[in-house]
Amino acid sequence: DAGVTQSPTHLIKTRGQHVTLRCSPISGHKSVSWYQQVLGQGPQFIFQYYEKEERGRGNFPDRFSARQFPNYSSELNVNALLLGDSALYLCASSPVAGEVTGELFFGEGSRLTVL
Amino acid sequence: QKEVEQDPGPLSVPEGAIVSLNCTYSNSAFQYFMWYRQYSRKGPELLMYTYSSGNKEDGRFTAQVDKSSKYISLFIRDSQPSDSATYLCAMDSSYKLIFGSGTRLLVRP
Repeated sequence: DAGVTQSPTHLIKTRGQHVTLRCSPISGHKSVSWYQQVLGQGPQFIFQYYEKEERGRGNFPDRFSARQFPNYSSELNVNALLLGDSALYLCASSPVAGEVTGELFFGEGSRLTVL
Repeated sequence: QKEVEQDPGPLSVPEGAIVSLNCTYSNSAFQYFMWYRQYSRKGPELLMYTYSSGNKEDGRFTAQVDKSSKYISLFIRDSQPSDSATYLCAMDSSYKLIFGSGTRLLVRP
């Protein structure tokens, strides 16, 4: 069975540019979450989407946005990139959503470097 | 103070040793507790998922939760070089997980 797939795996951008990261959840999972992992730290929550609606948002600026499509895949967009946005961006899917996060299954991540 | 504290290590042990990894937390509302394993430059992989206090065993891995002390542990028996990775604890907070910073484990052959 295919796990969570993310693209691209690596990318390099310059400050001020925009980036779009993509994620396909495990088949049958309707909830997608995005996390940012800076080197040496644990993942930090950015967004959760369920049935195409935003269910939760972490403490990230408005430069970060996301959406979920009818097939439950998702995009994370980051505008006006800063050096500090360099990180591993992780997508995770879950069969449930709401008050209990449940078991989250992560993809391999998209490693973003901002120069 | 962070909601979840985890010793970053690194923790170096010989092959076959019993490994103990720990996290403390401050929010008594946490009910679900997870351990993830993350190999270098890979995404986290779910190892154990437990609810409330008590023990859960899966093969060489045992997860313990002590809610009275706000302390969780992961024990690895008969550790193998392939267990060398970063271990992240995580706690469920409504629609998101709160992660520790991870403990790097090295199992020496």
